[in-house]
Amino acid sequence: AQSVTQLDSQVPVFEEAPVELRCNYSSSVSVYLFWYVQYPNQGLQLLLKYLSGSTLVESINGFEAEFNKSQTSFHLRKPSVHISDTAEYFCAVRGYNNNDMRFGAGTRLTVKP
Amino acid sequence: NAGVTQTPKFRILKIGQSMTLQCTQDMNHNYMYWYRQDPGMGLKLIYYSVGAGITDKGEVPNGYNVSRSTTEDFPLRLELAAPSQTSVYFCASSFGEQFFGPGTRLTVL
Repeated sequence: AQSVTQLDSQVPVFEEAPVELRCNYSSSVSVYLFWYVQYPNQGLQLLLKYLSGSTLVESINGFEAEFNKSQTSFHLRKPSVHISDTAEYFCAVRGYNNNDMRFGAGTRLTVKP
Repeated sequence: NAGVTQTPKFRILKIGQSMTLQCTQDMNHNYMYWYRQDPGMGLKLIYYSVGAGITDKGEVPNGYNVSRSTTEDFPLRLELAAPSQTSVYFCASSFGEQFFGPGTRLTVL
């Protein structure tokens, strides 16, 4: 089975500062990788995903993540955050040939004015 | 499309009571999932289904049961509620990526 470790449980940053949310995974098979965002009292929404091809993937709201196979990482970055980015972010991994999606414990991003 | 819908949104149960959490999706997805979310623990997979009539256990299935008689519906059953089942429950369906419902917040007292 796969597993995911999100290295920071909370990340406070000031508005317009850059941010990186770290995610490492473990798997014995090739994987798909995902970042989900959860706003207060809501379900999870897909932010971006890596399935194959280019290792750098981007979302429509300025986030990007890079798949690094040698370091088994899939860190999420944004060069300039906004107050509205305040949310909980979950990294997730799924093996190519199974339906078992494993989630990290989440990172709470708080953007301060 | 309504996507994934869950009912109820909130529920308080007494220890030993039973209830069913409802989940419906209108995207014709074969795969459906139930997760529980506890603070600081991320999401844990309870059960999943790869199609009507087929279900399988996830990481934390004890105390729960599921059925999948149709493609659209995937109810989760708690037979004897315990305080340890206090959590937020999310249903999801997938075709590649997973789409989540809004969640059910369950408290067992």
